[in-house]
Amino acid sequence: LAKTTQPISMDSYEGQEVNITCSHNNIATNDYITWYQQFPSQGPRFIIQGYKTKVTNEVASLFIPADRKSSTLSLPRVSLSDTAVYYCLVGPRAAGNKLTFGGGTRVLVKP
Amino acid sequence: NAGVTQTPKFRILKIGQSMTLQCTQDMNHNYMYWYRQDPGMGLKLIYYSVGAGITDKGEVPNGYNVSRSTTEDFPLRLELAAPSQTSVYFCASSYSRGSGAGQETQYFGPGTRLLVL
Repeated sequence: LAKTTQPISMDSYEGQEVNITCSHNNIATNDYITWYQQFPSQGPRFIIQGYKTKVTNEVASLFIPADRKSSTLSLPRVSLSDTAVYYCLVGPRAAGNKLTFGGGTRVLVKP
Repeated sequence: NAGVTQTPKFRILKIGQSMTLQCTQDMNHNYMYWYRQDPGMGLKLIYYSVGAGITDKGEVPNGYNVSRSTTEDFPLRLELAAPSQTSVYFCASSYSRGSGAGQETQYFGPGTRLLVL
């Protein structure tokens, strides 16, 4: 399983763009990259998933370079409610029974 | 849809006591999971199930048991509670379409906070 490394914490201000980079040097060919968001006292919530290049949805964008050894989650114009822990997961094509949630990145959005 | 529901929300156990954490999903998902999350840490997989009657160990299964008699329910059993099992427990479910799909999105319940004294 691909091991992931992401920053422990990041601070930002309302209206700014937040970029969180996740390293996964030993990503396998069939691995997908998925990001989850967790608010205090809640279970994680799926944000976005990608395999290569760029994926965008109404919440975030995910940038994956050609070598796929890293990925960057981009949160545009964050608000106070985006304060949460963000987890980068890398796992195989099949169902996520082997997924590992690391420590995640604590994002604090300040007014 | 209620999604994934868990009961109880909070429980205090004495060392050596037993309890069952309940988890139910109404999305007809075939995969279900149990995680624990210690304070300030990420989630660790305890057990998972790929369908009724089929379960398998995750990363930290010791001290726990599971069963999956129906698609909807996936209870987690603690037989002899220990202080090391103080944690927040999350149940999750996902639908697997087999090969050709990406990682299936996992849907999480609200969690059960367990304190063992």
